[in-house]
Amino acid sequence: GAVVSQHPSRVICKSGTSVKIECRSLDFQATTMFWYRQFPKQSLMLMATSNEGSKATYEQGVEKDKFLINHASLTLSTLTVTSAHPEDSSFYICSAQGLKNEKLFFGSGTQLSVL
Amino acid sequence: SQQGEEDPQALSIQEGENATMNCSYKTSINNLQWYRQNSGRGLVHLILIRSNEREKHSGRLRVTLDTSKKSSSLLITASRAADTASYFCATDSGGGADGLTFGKGTHLIIQP
Repeated sequence: GAVVSQHPSRVICKSGTSVKIECRSLDFQATTMFWYRQFPKQSLMLMATSNEGSKATYEQGVEKDKFLINHASLTLSTLTVTSAHPEDSSFYICSAQGLKNEKLFFGSGTQLSVL
Repeated sequence: SQQGEEDPQALSIQEGENATMNCSYKTSINNLQWYRQNSGRGLVHLILIRSNEREKHSGRLRVTLDTSKKSSSLLITASRAADTASYFCATDSGGGADGLTFGKGTHLIIQP
């Protein structure tokens, strides 16, 4: 089946630094990628939807300048958490969808801890 | 890995009928969640049921959980055309970085 690779799986950083998370579709072209955030013991919350070559669509309450999303190719989307603060500590997960609106495939997630 | 397995993979019913989707999993869990995805959109959280709960309702949704069988079901009553979407179950085993583990989803089509 299709595989989505997300990297890194875990990152610990100091407050004020920026962190980039990569999401790659390994064996299919992902026209659409989604980014989610999950706080401990809570459900997954959609942050933004990105389509290759165009600006991401952010969900209400998600700061565009805080969470920079780049979907530069059909196989790669990146989420950059800029000037991270402890309240940004969370589990971030991406998912990808193919050209024919096929099933959704998920990355394994990134646990971000901001000290 | 995606331990949740939904069945059926696809389901087509007439508007007004009830739709039932099942999810099985393999490991112990803290909770199980159901999500919906409309075509071209991200996941939307529907309902969360904890491991010590057996049934939960939310509007037209009814979720059951049988931890002895490691299975859950999602029932949508009085279906509407707008319910057409893919539905995913996700298990939370409380593993910190492991986060949620999603199943492959059931594609539900409601015929008007």
